Amino acid sequence: ILNVEQSPQSLHVQEGDSTNFTCSFPSSNFYALHWYRWETAKSPEALFVMTLNGDEKKKGRISATLNTKEGYSYLYIKGSQPEDSATYLCAFLNYGGATNKLIFGTGTLLAVQP
Amino acid sequence: DTEVTQTPKHLVMGMTNKKSLKCEQHMGHRAMYWYKQKAKKPPELMFVYSYEKLSINESVPSRFSPECPNSSLLNLHLHALQPEDSALYLCASSQDRARNSPLHFGNGTRLTVT
Repeated sequence: ILNVEQSPQSLHVQEGDSTNFTCSFPSSNFYALHWYRWETAKSPEALFVMTLNGDEKKKGRISATLNTKEGYSYLYIKGSQPEDSATYLCAFLNYGGATNKLIFGTGTLLAVQP
Repeated sequence: DTEVTQTPKHLVMGMTNKKSLKCEQHMGHRAMYWYKQKAKKPPELMFVYSYEKLSINESVPSRFSPECPNSSLLNLHLHALQPEDSALYLCASSQDRARNSPLHFGNGTRLTVT
């Protein structure tokens, strides 16, 4: 069974704070790591797809890093805004040829207080 | 607005009913997915279609029957469901099954089985 864990489960920060959360995944058969943002009453939206050890991606105030050797990825949000409030999901894609599949973590629920 | 459209948004059905969930995308994506999500749990993969052929069936009970009539449409036929099948059913698509193809999700169908 492939285990993808995210921490913390939830996080409450003040507007303007910077924050980060962690995704841990198996370090074997790594193929890709995805990050999604899921706002209430909307659909999950892809933020990043990372495939190489040491990858760093950035989109506005949000960035992510990847360490495939030790099996973790960090998501950083600089200067959090209320509109950043959402559940952030990571998903691990294991290499399995035609049967490679995306396994999601339980997510980190971020609440940004104005 | 999501580019993956799911209908209906909500569905209540009895255990003897037959119903179908529908998913449509017009982005030219060749891979489509069904995920099931229960409260406070990560989305769980059910089925993957690639180029209109079933690639992955995650040992889903036969009371769930997927169908991909063409590259834009994905259905999930439901028959003789159990109350524990109540969940949010998410459809997603991706350009293909390459590792750097992010998933595009619909808003989901909230299913309640009574």
